[in-house]
Amino acid sequence: EDKVVQSPLSLVVHEGDTVTLNCSYEVTNFRSLLWYKQEKKAPTFLFMLTSSGIEKKSGRLSSILDKKELFSILNITATQTGDSAIYLCAVEGAAGNKLTFGGGTRVLVKP
Amino acid sequence: ETGVTQTPRHLVMGMTNKKSLKCEQHLGHNAMYWYKQSAKKPLELMFVYSLEERVENNSVPSRFSPECPNSSHLFLHLHTLQPEDSALYLCASSQEVGQGAGELFFGEGSRLTVL
Repeated sequence: EDKVVQSPLSLVVHEGDTVTLNCSYEVTNFRSLLWYKQEKKAPTFLFMLTSSGIEKKSGRLSSILDKKELFSILNITATQTGDSAIYLCAVEGAAGNKLTFGGGTRVLVKP
Repeated sequence: ETGVTQTPRHLVMGMTNKKSLKCEQHLGHNAMYWYKQSAKKPLELMFVYSLEERVENNSVPSRFSPECPNSSHLFLHLHTLQPEDSALYLCASSQEVGQGAGELFFGEGSRLTVL
């Protein structure tokens, strides 16, 4: 059974800090790993990673995948209060019909 | 706005009631999904539809009954639910099921409380 574990469960930082979120996974025939941000209700897509070692970047957010060690990290630099959210990691395996989600990391950015 | 609309946003029902959740996507996608998000648990996939055909049913109790009349609409019919079914129910869509299905577009969710 596919499995995704995220750490830490939650963290509190101050504006301007850098945050690193971790996602480790076990999946049969890995296809992709995705990061989502969930602020209130609807998770919104951040990144999709399929290849090892290639960093994806969007503004202050970046993510990288290590397919050998089966993990990904999501970095947020110069955090702002608007970055407060739950960050979800999900993997797509062989079946392709579904994503298996981790439990999420709750990030709170204080002014 | 993600292009996926869910109604109602909040629903309170008794264990003997029958109600339905509705989802509509305006993205021209071919696949639609129901996910359940409970407190302190990961998002759980319930059902997957591809071009109105159910392709995945993740061992969901029969008190949850999905319906997909066309590729833009998805319903979740609820009857004789239990208090532990209280959760946020998220609808999502993607261009296709399978390859390239990774990026899901989620609705705002329907917060269900079962008394």
